[in-house]
This record gives sequence, structure tokens and C-alpha cells, in this order.
Amino acid sequence: AQKVTQAQTEISVVEKEDVTLDCVYETRDTTYYLFWYKQPPSGELVFLIRRNSFDEQNEISGRYSWNFQKSTSSFNFTITASQVVDSAVYFCALPFLTGANSKLTFGKGITLSVRP
Amino acid sequence: EAGVTQSPTHLIKTRGQQATLRCSPISGHTSVYWYQQALGLGLQFLLWYDEGEERNRGNFPPRFSGRQFPNYSSELNVNALELEDSALYLCASSQGLKYEKLFFGSGTQLSVL
Repeated sequence: AQKVTQAQTEISVVEKEDVTLDCVYETRDTTYYLFWYKQPPSGELVFLIRRNSFDEQNEISGRYSWNFQKSTSSFNFTITASQVVDSAVYFCALPFLTGANSKLTFGKGITLSVRP
Repeated sequence: EAGVTQSPTHLIKTRGQQATLRCSPISGHTSVYWYQQALGLGLQFLLWYDEGEERNRGNFPPRFSGRQFPNYSSELNVNALELEDSALYLCASSQGLKYEKLFFGSGTQLSVL
């Protein structure tokens, strides 16, 4: 069965600290994708990144970086030099196939608070 | 280009009433997904519509239902409201392709008193 575990529920850091959000997944699919979404206080989920299971290269986008490790079934997300605007709930998600298509299973989310 | 729009933003109902929530997808998107985000429970998949048909539903009772119209907009109906139905209901849309990202609306906050 598809499962996404975000063991951390709430993290609080001071601005400019680095913070890593953990995501562990379970899937029987040999080909799969993983996603991270951000939910700011406005409520709308915002797409951050999608990675496929064939590409284990770490990815960096500005202050954001992602560490995908198939061996440990983890897809962790690091924010470098955090800012107050990073305060949000962060979700890791895994699509699972239903027929010819797929739908997303989300983890329970990690609430990140960045204090000035 | 307009994003996913949901209405109303807030909805207050009493137990036993019915609620109707609406969603307009991004232009060109044929798939609409509904998720429930209740406090402490994360995002729970409710329903998926594509090309006017219900493709999949989550583990919710039949009093949660919906439909998708020819213009791909969608409606979620919740009958016989219970207190635990209080939640943020999020709608998302996509082109219906495998593994593609979803675009979310800002949600409807449903409060059942």
C-alpha cells in the first residue's frame, strides 16, 4: 500500500537557521514520483517540487534543496537560511496508480514556524 | 490566467443540514479532486472527477457526493451534516495525466454547529 510518513509534526526555528523536513514513503510501484507542497496560512497548497524514482540526484533551488534516497525510502527537504515567509505547513505526497491515472496520498504535514 | 476558484470561502451550517461546495478548475483542466482537511487528520482524499465521471472515491460515507459539469466545474454535496464534517475542503485540478502536479484552490471552510 502507498504510505507517506512525516514523523515531525511541528518545528520552530529562528530566522536564518537551516531546517530539514523529513519524509519517508512506502510504495510497491517500481516507477513512482514524489512531491512536496507548501500550505501557507491562506490555505492554498502550492506545488514545490516533483521528483521521479529514476533520478536520485539532489536538487537545489535557491534556498531549497531536496535529498532523495531510494535506499532509505526518504525524500527530505531542507530550507537554508530560513525566513519568516517560510512559515507554513509542508506536505510530502506520493501518487498511486488507479487504472490509467494516479492520485496523490499526502503525509500529515509538518508545521514550520520561523521566528524573527 | 485564473487559478482554481472555490466558493463559498466560509460556510456555516447546523447538524443535519446539507452543504454544497463549488469548484472551478483551471481552464483546460478536465480532472477535479476534492480533499478534506480536518484538524489533526491531514489531507484526506474524497473524490476524483474526470471528463464528467466519478473516477475514484476515498473512504467516506455515501452522504459525501458530487458531480462534474460539462464545463468541468464541480460540486461537492454533503448531506446530513455531522459535527465532525467541520473542515477545510480543498479542490484541485489537473489535466488528468499520470503523475502530474495538482493545482489547488484556497478551500471552503465548513463549520457545522
